[in-house]
Amino acid sequence: ETGVTQTPRHLVMGMTNKKSLKCEQHLGHNAMYWYKQSAKKPLELMFVYNFKEQTENNSVPSRFSPECPNSSHLFLHLHTLQPEDSALYLCASSQDPAREQYFGPGTRLTVT
Amino acid sequence: GQQLNQSPQSMFIQEGEDVSMNCTSSSIFNTWLWYKQDPGEGPVLLIALYKAGELTSNGRLTAQFGITRKDSFLNISASIPSDVGIYFCAGQLLSPAGDMRFGAGTRLTVKP
Repeated sequence: ETGVTQTPRHLVMGMTNKKSLKCEQHLGHNAMYWYKQSAKKPLELMFVYNFKEQTENNSVPSRFSPECPNSSHLFLHLHTLQPEDSALYLCASSQDPAREQYFGPGTRLTVT
Repeated sequence: GQQLNQSPQSMFIQEGEDVSMNCTSSSIFNTWLWYKQDPGEGPVLLIALYKAGELTSNGRLTAQFGITRKDSFLNISASIPSDVGIYFCAGQLLSPAGDMRFGAGTRLTVKP
């Protein structure tokens, strides 16, 4: 299944680093999402994009900066992260925000 | 907030047994979905439910959207070893569009 791809799959970064996560969907969808999955916590929605426009930001700290250049690509720019930001970051897409979402494999992020 | 209460938290069953898990909420959801997640991977969509009272099957899986729009269950019949994983329920709010809330998951172990 290669509908939604994410790179890198694993990332280790220091608190002063700047890195970016990339997501690409090959499903012709118009909406894309970023989620955070921490141990022992439910998946948390971070950002929603519909037709490249950000429609939701769930009180995410500014050290996480999303970018959606087109309906097929979504980035999450990271800077000055904290160790508690270590988690699995999942990207998803859907035909529109009311339809079912399909997830990528995630990026396992470790902040040291 | 619109929390989903998923139960049970974990299940240990023998191969061939049937399994049932459910999600409840105090909030009304527009759509209920069920996902399965294997270690190191993103959630995979199993069943999507769009109408109150809807009963949908996907092979050995059956799910229902509660008539009050506040609950859903998932049944797995005749379990097999590859059913092992974490099952998540998810509810999509009508507004804001794309806002999906997840249950904490049910970890299923199937003993051969």
